[in-house]
Amino acid sequence: EAGVAQSPRYKIIEKRQSVAFWCNPISGHATLYWYQQILGQGPKLLIQFQNNGVVDDSQLPKDRFSAERLKGVDSTLKIQPAKLEDSAVYLCASSLSQPSANFGPGTRLTVT
Amino acid sequence: DQQVKQNSPSLSVQEGRISILNCDYTNSMFDYFLWYKKYPAEGPTFLISISSIKDKNEDGRFTVFLNKSAKHLSLHIVPSQPGDSAVYFCAASDWGKGGKLIFGQGTELSVKP
Repeated sequence: EAGVAQSPRYKIIEKRQSVAFWCNPISGHATLYWYQQILGQGPKLLIQFQNNGVVDDSQLPKDRFSAERLKGVDSTLKIQPAKLEDSAVYLCASSLSQPSANFGPGTRLTVT
Repeated sequence: DQQVKQNSPSLSVQEGRISILNCDYTNSMFDYFLWYKKYPAEGPTFLISISSIKDKNEDGRFTVFLNKSAKHLSLHIVPSQPGDSAVYFCAASDWGKGGKLIFGQGTELSVKP
């Protein structure tokens, strides 16, 4: 079984620029999560999808962050415009119908 | 509001000895608890879980204990091996209400030969 795929793995941008991350979950996994992990902290949930509907986006900074999951499969997370404090690892995870989730390798974003 | 806390940022243990990683939570609605292991430049990997109806779950060298009255769980690794060196995250979920995982800050375990 292929794991959760994410791209790019690394991205460096200047503040006020835009950036997008892509995630391909494990086939058949209805639930998809985006987490933000700042250095020295645990992952923080940004948004949770069930198929292509949003279950929880209470911690998503909606003035600059957006996410979509078209057709209930792949997902993209966008930041526009980026701030210095957005520097973090962005983790995508998916799950079938159990509490545990499978995580991708993450995208390390550096905002300069 | 830190609902899941791991108060020890790091732990160093000798190979062959027991490693005990601790986690505290505040939300009594959590009904599932998990431990994840993370190596550098990789995503977290699921290790072991326990539901709130149990107080112990064992998988090989890994055992998780849950004390609901104290809102505390711990992960025991016996015997510890150098390959266990990683960051360990405790996570909790209100699985019955949507299932999002809330993570602690992590504990970096170093197992020395």
